[in-house]
Parts: sequence; structure tokens; C-alpha cells
Amino acid sequence: KQEVTQIPAALSVPEGENLVLNCSFTDSAIYNLQWFRQDPGKGLTSLLLIQSSQREQTSGRLNASLDKSSGRSTLYIAASQPGDSATYLCAVPAGGYQKVTFGIGTKLQVIP
Amino acid sequence: SQTIHQWPATLVQPVGSPLSLECTVEGTSNPNLYWYRQAAGRGLQLLFYSVGIGQISSEVPQNLSASRPQDRQFILSSKKLLLSDSGFYLCAWSGQANTGELFFGEGSRLTVL
Repeated sequence: KQEVTQIPAALSVPEGENLVLNCSFTDSAIYNLQWFRQDPGKGLTSLLLIQSSQREQTSGRLNASLDKSSGRSTLYIAASQPGDSATYLCAVPAGGYQKVTFGIGTKLQVIP
Repeated sequence: SQTIHQWPATLVQPVGSPLSLECTVEGTSNPNLYWYRQAAGRGLQLLFYSVGIGQISSEVPQNLSASRPQDRQFILSSKKLLLSDSGFYLCAWSGQANTGELFFGEGSRLTVL
């Protein structure tokens, strides 16, 4: 059974700081890994999708890496802004690509 | 571009009453469709997924059911709600390929009293 862990559970940083969010998974036989952002009371917004054959993906100030062999992914956020405050979740398919397992997320607060 | 709509956004229902949450996707055909539930402090739980019209796979035994009457329509239902059904319900879609990206609706907040 795939298990996804995200560390830390919560993070508070001053504006402008670079930060790293961590995601680990137990079954390395994955098709892809996806990072999401969730604002309070809202749905999930897809940030980055890394295919199993890729090592990293970049979108603006966001960079996600994937190390399948060690079962880890990181989401790097450069020059954080107050608007980045949200919960960030990672997700990997398990037991079939339709069955995606989510971590509980890291709640990020960027202080102006 | 593809969009996903989910409604109602908020619902307060008494125990024992029926439930119907609806989700529709626009701008794509033959999507995979999903219903997730998110409880406070817990990760998203996959409830149902569908790879085609009338094809429903259930992941968690419960008093909920799902139906897909049309290609881009996915409905979550219950005949009699329980207190434990309270939560945030999210509909999502992805393409058919195994490299597909998941896209979510805005969610429906259900409170059962």
C-alpha cells in the first residue's frame, strides 16, 4: 500500500526566503508525481506534474524534483511571497494510475 | 481549455436525508472522473473513480454511491446520510493516459446535522 508523508506539517517563513517542502513515498513504482496547492476551503490547484522518467520540473518560482529510487520529491519555492501562503500537497498513483494517494500536506505561511 | 464544475458549493443536510452532488467537465472527452473526500487533518480519500459511462469503481465501502450517466458528468449520491458523511467532497478529472494530470473542482462542503 502506497503511503505518502510530507514534512514539515507546517512552515512559517519571512517574505523573500527560499524554502523546500518534502514529500516521501513508500512504493517507488510510480507513473508520476504531482504537487498541488490548496487555499482554505477551496479545491486543489495543480502546480507541477513530474513524469516517472523525469528528474525535475520547473514553473516560474517553483521547482520540483523527483528521486524514485529513494522515494522522495521536493518542491522548491524561490523568493517566497505572502500569496504563496497555502497548503501544499503531493500525490502519487498507487495500484493503478487512477488510484492516487495524497499526503496530508504542508501548511505554509509567508509573513510579510 | 478544460474546466470542471462542481455543485452545490455548500450543503447542510439532516441525518437520514438523501444527497446528490454533481460534477461536470467541459473541453475534453472521455475523461477519467473521480470523487474524493477530505476530512479535517486527514489526506484526501479516493471514494470512486470512473473510466467511462456507467463504469464505476468503489474504493471505500460506505453508504455513498456514484453514477456516470454521461461522458462528462459524475454524480455522488446517498439515500440516507450519516453524521460521518460530513466533509469536503472534491471532484477531479484526468486524461486516459497513465501520465495524466489530475485537475480538481472547487469542492462541496457537506455538513450533516
